Amino acid sequence: NAGVTQTPKFQVLKTGQSMTLQCAQDMNHNSMYWYRQDPGMGLRLIYYSASEGTTDKGEVPNGYNVSRLNKREFSLRLESAAPSQTSVYFCASSDSYNEQFFGPGTRLTVL
Amino acid sequence: SQQGEEDPQALSIQEGENATMNCSYKTSINNLQWYRQNSGRGLVHLILIRSNEREKHSGRLRVTLDTSKKSSSLLITASRAADTASYFCALNTGNQFYFGTGTSLTVIP
Repeated sequence: NAGVTQTPKFQVLKTGQSMTLQCAQDMNHNSMYWYRQDPGMGLRLIYYSASEGTTDKGEVPNGYNVSRLNKREFSLRLESAAPSQTSVYFCASSDSYNEQFFGPGTRLTVL
Repeated sequence: SQQGEEDPQALSIQEGENATMNCSYKTSINNLQWYRQNSGRGLVHLILIRSNEREKHSGRLRVTLDTSKKSSSLLITASRAADTASYFCALNTGNQFYFGTGTSLTVIP
């Protein structure tokens, strides 16, 4: 089992460009999450999906959109990237709000 | 903010010593979890304690939870160099998780 996978691992964008971060899990979890981590800080929840077909805003949703494509996949889209979105992005999945399993992260730089 | 606050921000100890880090929070929780993050990697779950539990053990880890004080502590006993990492508490309030700012632990061989 691969657990939680994320693509890409690294990305550099120019201000105003768009991109989609991909996440997939093979643990049959209902819930999936997108976080961002800035230097010296904990993780902040961007969006989450409690089950297939539902998505909800987290703590810092502005500038992002998400799609729960199916039970396995949860993507995060930046429509018009800004330097403030430079961060490390983590995807996670869990079953019934217990232990979360995290992907390896995507390091995004917006110039 | 419902985010947890951890202290100390940084902790440096000798191998074999115990390490204690604390997490305080403001909201009601379903459970509280602790995670470890090695530099440049994703987070790894360590232990979960439910709101109706006061203490839990897992190997060299001991977690306590005081819901009246809205605080939790993580004790790592007999620390090893491999324990060097950042440690985060995570509050589960239902659908959402709120992470603390983390404690950076350095274990000196």
